[in-house]
Amino acid sequence: EPEVTQTPSHQVTQMGQEVILRCVPISNHLYFYWYRQILGQKVEFLVSFYNNEISEKSEIFDDQFSVERPDGSNFTLKIRSTKLEDSAMYFCASRGSSYNEQFFGPGTRLTVL
Amino acid sequence: GQQVMQIPQYQHVQEGEDFTTYCNSSTTLSNIQWYKQRPGGHPVFLIQLVKSGEVKKQKRLTFQFGEAKKNSSLHITATQTTDVGTYFCAGPAGGGSQGNLIFGKGTKLSVKP
Repeated sequence: EPEVTQTPSHQVTQMGQEVILRCVPISNHLYFYWYRQILGQKVEFLVSFYNNEISEKSEIFDDQFSVERPDGSNFTLKIRSTKLEDSAMYFCASRGSSYNEQFFGPGTRLTVL
Repeated sequence: GQQVMQIPQYQHVQEGEDFTTYCNSSTTLSNIQWYKQRPGGHPVFLIQLVKSGEVKKQKRLTFQFGEAKKNSSLHITATQTTDVGTYFCAGPAGGGSQGNLIFGKGTKLSVKP
């Protein structure tokens, strides 16, 4: 069964460093998302991406964040200068065009020290 | 802004007991989705409800969408230890057509054997 994959599974970084989180969505999906989940809390929407551009973003997704689909398969989330409060689990999700079900990847746990 | 609220936050049951979680949206929803997240896992889609008053069943799970399309419930009959996890409801962000979801805080279910 096709699945969303994410790498790395765990990323530890120093405050102020840049990180890139990588996702490979399901191949025939058209809509891509990043969500984050601070430990023990709810899943929060960050950004949606469609047709090679950002379609919507939340207040969390400020100038420090960017997304890219560099090669037609990978979907990346970059945090330019990490802050302590960026520590969270980051989930990538994708969906096809004809239904609303979103398929989530296993997540990347980001720890900012 | 748009909010999705869930109660209770935690529920501890004895195996075999029933469980219900309730979800309320501050706005009318075009659809509502339910996801399950096992401990240490990622959200996994369970079901989508679209019609006012809709009721759907998946084995021991019964999902209901309110008449006003602002509330929903998930009921599990005769819980099993495999039901352990956090159950999230999620609705599409208002006005958005790209499917980004607003999640409730979830109900964490623990089942004592």
